[in-house]
Amino acid sequence: AQSVAQPEDQVNVAEGNPLTVKCTYSVSGNPYLFWYVQYPNRGLQFLLKYITGDNLVKGSYGFEAEFNKSQTSFHLKKPSALVSDSALYFCAVRDMGRDDKIIFGKGTRLHILP
Amino acid sequence: NAGVTQTPKFQVLKTGQSMTLQCAQDMNHNSMYWYRQDPGMGLRLIYYSASEGTTDKGEVPNGYNVSRLNKREFSLRLESAAPSQTSVYFCASMTMGQGASGYGYTFGSGTRLTVV
Repeated sequence: AQSVAQPEDQVNVAEGNPLTVKCTYSVSGNPYLFWYVQYPNRGLQFLLKYITGDNLVKGSYGFEAEFNKSQTSFHLKKPSALVSDSALYFCAVRDMGRDDKIIFGKGTRLHILP
Repeated sequence: NAGVTQTPKFQVLKTGQSMTLQCAQDMNHNSMYWYRQDPGMGLRLIYYSASEGTTDKGEVPNGYNVSRLNKREFSLRLESAAPSQTSVYFCASMTMGQGASGYGYTFGSGTRLTVV
């Protein structure tokens, strides 16, 4: 079965520093990978996805993610964190089993410290 | 506005009461999904509908039923609510437009349900 793991429940980063939110995946075949963000008391917003092509994917709000096939990772990154980036981040993978659906990780809460 | 609409946004139920969460999309998507979100658990799939007229169980279907009323609407019913069903519920629909690059979910804004 397809799955994703987010090893950190919480990540704290000082404003202005680079940030990384980790994600590893387990899939059969070529993965479709996603990052979503949830701001407090809001729904989920799409940040970026990897389907094929360049391993470095650029997304919304200055975020990017690096697909690493050998390490089965899809870490989310940003060069300079903003306080407004504080939110809950979900990594996800497409499950093309019997039916088409997306499987989510448990989420990582990102705190940007002013 | 195009998208996924969920109602209600908030609901408080007493144990044993029933209710239906409504979801509608106006993007002509075939597949629709219900997830619940709990702290530390991420989003877990309750039920999904791959196409009009079909529904299937996800990871955590117990205590829920669904109806795919037509292509637009996919409702989630709690027949006898329990405190363990206190959660935030999200509906989503899937787009397969424009090939692989267009693949992804559109989410509703969520329903915050409390069962007391």
